Amino acid sequence: DQQVKQNSPSLSVQEGRISILNCDYTNSMFDYFLWYKKYPAEGPTFLISISSIKDKNEDGRFTVFLNKSAKHLSLHIVPSQPGDSAVYFCAASALQGAQKLVFGQGTRLTINP
Amino acid sequence: NAGVTQTPKFQVLKTGQSMTLQCAQDMNHEYMSWYRQDPGMGLRLIHYSVGAGITDQGEVPNGYNVSRSTTEDFPLRLLSAAPSQTSVYFCASSPGGGYYGYTFGSGTRLTVV
Repeated sequence: DQQVKQNSPSLSVQEGRISILNCDYTNSMFDYFLWYKKYPAEGPTFLISISSIKDKNEDGRFTVFLNKSAKHLSLHIVPSQPGDSAVYFCAASALQGAQKLVFGQGTRLTINP
Repeated sequence: NAGVTQTPKFQVLKTGQSMTLQCAQDMNHEYMSWYRQDPGMGLRLIHYSVGAGITDQGEVPNGYNVSRSTTEDFPLRLLSAAPSQTSVYFCASSPGGGYYGYTFGSGTRLTVV
């Protein structure tokens, strides 16, 4: 039972354009949603998070949108830069059980010059 | 500030051997977790701890053992290695889970032959 799903294994975007990564979840008990970025041979790095009481959170070039009714969140990167090329993981946790992060399968983002 | 340190970075084991993957953090985080990453499956939670002396099972605990005698250290023991345990293992720590997210180590790549 995949509670967090990233249905696009890969995404290719031109430098300077917007990158949109999508994530769907099935567990309505999730309260926190996070995005991680991972380079090869490194551990995931925390990017941005959002709690279920909000529908948008911004941090510089990164914005996360949450649509609770659709159980869907997305990460927007504007403008996309070559250093953004990495695997992006969506993750979620519940308030009761905040210690347990559930991850999606990941989306490999490639930014083309 | 070293963050989360994992050793070793690479390990090859024979089927049936046992070993311990080491994890240490210097951020005084209460929460620590072990994940494994397999192709196409994202990161899956093996075991976690919410403080010294307190551990619990995650999604895929079979074949692994943990203990937490100090806040800083959270070793993962493979009791009798099997080829299905070939994976990349990540240790992570957090001040409180949820919205705070986790800080990950750089991983241990384990191959069981």
